[in-house]
Amino acid sequence: GAVVSQHPSRVICKSGTSVKIECRSLDFQATTMFWYRQFPKQSLMLMATSNEGSKATYEQGVEKDKFLINHASLTLSTLTVTSAHPEDSSFYICSARDRTSGFYEQYFGPGTRLTVT
Amino acid sequence: DAKTTQPTSMDCAEGRAANLPCNHSTISGNEYVYWYRQIHSQGPQYIIHGLKNNETNEMASLIITEDRKSSTLILPHATLRDTAVYYCIVSALYGTASKLTFGTGTRLQVTL
Repeated sequence: GAVVSQHPSRVICKSGTSVKIECRSLDFQATTMFWYRQFPKQSLMLMATSNEGSKATYEQGVEKDKFLINHASLTLSTLTVTSAHPEDSSFYICSARDRTSGFYEQYFGPGTRLTVT
Repeated sequence: DAKTTQPTSMDCAEGRAANLPCNHSTISGNEYVYWYRQIHSQGPQYIIHGLKNNETNEMASLIITEDRKSSTLILPHATLRDTAVYYCIVSALYGTASKLTFGTGTRLQVTL
């Protein structure tokens, strides 16, 4: 089955630093990848939609200069949290849509837990 | 995307069928019904999807009412590993309306 990986699985960083999270589709090509954020005991919130080779589309209220998204290839998208602050601590999850599957399914990564101290 | 309404939580005895309802009364003609689940601290897992016919796969069955305003996910023989939050989502197949918007879901607790 289709597998999406994320790296790292956990990261702790100091306030003011930047953190990069990678999302890879391991056995399929993904023209579209999505980035979600999930706070404790809450549902997933879509942050942005990333299409290979073009700029990401951000949801309302998500700062595009703070959450930089790069979808440089059909198997890799990255999310960089710039100048991280404690309120950015959250569970970040990516998903990818298989370009050959008829767009029915999104496959989700295992998530990255970010803690900003 | 159309909004969905699900019960906040449900319990089910292991080995019994778990029936999870979802209301989506404002669903559009081009929107599918998707079900995902999220086990604690993991990414969501796709379960099943449908448009208007009932669907079955190795994980579950999906029953969609004739008017498409509600659906039921059926786990035929629930196990402890099925304990998770189950999300019912309606979404179009293509274009900007194809985003998956997660609601609060139903927390299913499977017990011995």
